[in-house]
Amino acid sequence: QKEVEQDPGPLSVPEGAIVSLNCTYSNSAFQYFMWYRQYSRKGPELLMYTYSSGNKEDGRFTAQVDKSSKYISLFIRDSQPSDSATYLCAMSAVSGGSNYKLTFGKGTLLTVNP
Amino acid sequence: EAQVTQNPRYLITVTGKKLTVTCSQNMNHEYMSWYRQDPGLGLRQIYYSMNVEVTDKGDVPEGYKVSRKEKRNFPLILESPSPNQTSLYFCASSLGGLEQFFGPGTRLTVL
Repeated sequence: QKEVEQDPGPLSVPEGAIVSLNCTYSNSAFQYFMWYRQYSRKGPELLMYTYSSGNKEDGRFTAQVDKSSKYISLFIRDSQPSDSATYLCAMSAVSGGSNYKLTFGKGTLLTVNP
Repeated sequence: EAQVTQNPRYLITVTGKKLTVTCSQNMNHEYMSWYRQDPGLGLRQIYYSMNVEVTDKGDVPEGYKVSRKEKRNFPLILESPSPNQTSLYFCASSLGGLEQFFGPGTRLTVL
């Protein structure tokens, strides 16, 4: 079983739709959960960062972590064509003083159609 | 502007010809790392550095070397590149946490 599973899509939605992106994981030591956005021909950029379980909201983006189910989600409200990108979930078990290695999902390609 | 820069952005080379991909950050970050991104495999860590002169292997270090002589620079060295090292490479840096900033990537093709 892979450490992090992410449906690669592609996912195509109309502008204004609510988008739900998800990852599951197997390593119960993961404590830090991140979502990165990667535009074509660019490096990943950090969108959201959460520690342990719970929700975090930032504008149109909401990240949810359910450690009991080993399941994380990213919701995008009122999606815009500029949200079209690959979304990568990433996780780490590090608490400090060691390798801040991120274990990534393979990414979900999202297209928001005008 | 705070950024991570990589050079070159694109490189085509032949098997066995040594090459270096440079990475530099201007944010005074202690932590730096190299990843490779391959279709179907995602991003995987090659090497990392917690600080100057401190480096260690990630998940896929075979065929790569790194050095960290200065805080801002973390070059990736392929002493004898092979076709299976054809990939998209990203350098990342962090102040000391998990919020890593990625460079724009280097697309390497080894013939």
